[in-house]
Amino acid sequence: DGGITQSPKYLFRKEGQNVTLSCEQNLNHDAMYWYRQDPGQGLRLIYYSQIVNDFQKGDIAEGYSVSREKKESFPLTVTSAQKNPTAFYLCASSSRTTNTGELFFGEGSRLTVL
Amino acid sequence: RKEVEQDPGPFNVPEGATVAFNCTYSNSASQSFFWYRQDCRKEPKLLMSVYSSGNEDGRFTAQLNRASQYISLLIRDSKLSDSATYLCATGGGADGLTFGKGTHLIIQP
Repeated sequence: DGGITQSPKYLFRKEGQNVTLSCEQNLNHDAMYWYRQDPGQGLRLIYYSQIVNDFQKGDIAEGYSVSREKKESFPLTVTSAQKNPTAFYLCASSSRTTNTGELFFGEGSRLTVL
Repeated sequence: RKEVEQDPGPFNVPEGATVAFNCTYSNSASQSFFWYRQDCRKEPKLLMSVYSSGNEDGRFTAQLNRASQYISLLIRDSKLSDSATYLCATGGGADGLTFGKGTHLIIQP
């Protein structure tokens, strides 16, 4: 089945530690995105990538980094510079071919900083 | 700055009733409009796209008003399983979609 796989689903981190969230898709989508959601809040864009080896900052990129070495993969690193990293992280992808704008989401990764 | 505004609710609605939500957006250049459903602690899932001509899918009807920059979602004959948070989203550019904070719907038996 085609889809987006995020791992881990739950992650606990001590303050000062970097952590990397995995996102893999087999939908053959060109575009991939990382959003952050806080309780009672909407989704806020962290980073996005339209093609391999290229990515752009979203609205809240500070304290985060990404890479896009393969079309299928778009990992997100939450660095120690991110002041409030506890949140629900959602990876999404979309097809530039159909260009409908619809995003498909993974199941999310819930990060808690202790 | 692109913004999407929604009434957070909660909307408490008896089973079988009709409920409607509105969502306003600030970016007049938006080309794509969607309603997503999000269950508690789950990822958003596409409910329906919103077209200029309107869109109906069973009990759900979505409409777009470009002049006033709002989209609406109507749910008829509401079911207990409709209880969720409904996210409005707009976009059309390379930077994906802009989401509202969601409207929380509770269907009561």
